[in-house]
Amino acid sequence: QLQLQESGPGLVKPSETLSLTCTVSGDSIGTSTSYWGWIRQPPGKGLEWIGNIFNSGSTYYKLSLKSRVTISVDTSKNQFSLKLSSVAAADTAVYYCARTYSSGWYSPFDYWGQGALVTVSS
Amino acid sequence: QSVVTQPPSASGTPGQRVTISCSGSSSNIGTNTVNWYQQLPGTAPKLLIYSNNQRPSGVPDRFSGSKSGTSASLAISGLQSEDESDYYCAAWDDSLEGHVFGTGTKVTVL
Repeated sequence: QLQLQESGPGLVKPSETLSLTCTVSGDSIGTSTSYWGWIRQPPGKGLEWIGNIFNSGSTYYKLSLKSRVTISVDTSKNQFSLKLSSVAAADTAVYYCARTYSSGWYSPFDYWGQGALVTVSS
Repeated sequence: QSVVTQPPSASGTPGQRVTISCSGSSSNIGTNTVNWYQQLPGTAPKLLIYSNNQRPSGVPDRFSGSKSGTSASLAISGLQSEDESDYYCAAWDDSLEGHVFGTGTKVTVL
């Protein structure tokens, strides 16, 4: 059974960098044809896609976040990571990692992690 | 500010049919397929419908999706109490070069 698990600090100071890692079990990122993505949800609000990565390192980022986002992959650890720089209170959200249903960066997400709440506050 | 809009709420009594609309544009729904997610309170979203009208394994056939032009709809027939949830439509946007989610609709079972 495929499982994804987010991990990282739950509290980040304004202007610093948010870092999260998603550990995948039950599938191999290195041989998978799926893309792997990050989606966030501010408290009480809707879903916002952040970006996708393929095992080759090919990435797609939300244009409005592109200057602050880096998604990377470590196939040896079966993990992929999110870094979001210069965070502000508006970046407070539950951050989900997820896998696309099929090959293609445009494919929907069929497996999701449980989510990690990250609060930006001094 | 999402480019794909949904009504904030919908409701029905058990057994009724509820329909949720999703309105986009030519760069997203008009060009690409629509997916629907169900998000129960306090949980991660679950893929409910993909490619406009396909159900992943395990999704009851009470849930159905359709698309016409730049709009899409999710229908829940035979509404059940466990269907009380938030529902989001989503599609790839060619102009924004990314996934866009709808604003979300909260379904209440009366």
